[in-house]
Amino acid sequence: SQTIHQWPATLVQPVGSPLSLECTVEGTSNPNLYWYRQAAGRGLQLLFYSVGIGQISSEVPQNLSASRPQDRQFILSSKKLLLSDSGFYLCAWSVTGTGYNEQFFGPGTRLTVL
Amino acid sequence: AQKVTQAQTEISVVEKEDVTLDCVYETRDTTYYLFWYKQPPSGELVFLIRRNSFDEQNEISGRYSWNFQKSTSSFNFTITASQVVDSAVYFCALSETNTGGFKTIFGAGTRLFVKA
Repeated sequence: SQTIHQWPATLVQPVGSPLSLECTVEGTSNPNLYWYRQAAGRGLQLLFYSVGIGQISSEVPQNLSASRPQDRQFILSSKKLLLSDSGFYLCAWSVTGTGYNEQFFGPGTRLTVL
Repeated sequence: AQKVTQAQTEISVVEKEDVTLDCVYETRDTTYYLFWYKQPPSGELVFLIRRNSFDEQNEISGRYSWNFQKSTSSFNFTITASQVVDSAVYFCALSETNTGGFKTIFGAGTRLFVKA
């Protein structure tokens, strides 16, 4: 069966510090991968998606970036965090091909920027 | 542009009551997909159902049922005989074909409280 992992689970970082969140998927090959951010009490905002290694599509211009160095690894990064980067970050995967298939989400990382 | 509206921010019911969560969407595509997800307090979203725009049949899965009406652009979700474990935030979502389906738009969510 497929499993998706995210770490860390929680993170408190000062403004201006770098960020690296990692997501890995097990039990499937060539998945579509997604990064979402959920602000407190809000819906999900798609940040990035990837259909393959090294292929990243950005949906929202910001100080975040994403990379996919391996088939089942998706990393969200920032060189300098802003207060507005605080939120709940969710990684998700769906089966390869189109994006119409349902997405399966990881446990999330709660990021607080102080 | 696509849009998903969940007008009900919070709903509170007593256990065993039926509850309907509303979802209204906007899209210019003729082919699209609709989803419902559940987010329990733990935070991880759980997929509940996917429906494509050509399939207007209602679906029932245990205590859950979904009513898709293309004429009113609605995809409502009903929980019958609600239970405390149903307490969660529920999201309706939409994917369009013109973006390959990758750009899924989520509604703001409806927080459901089920009291014992």
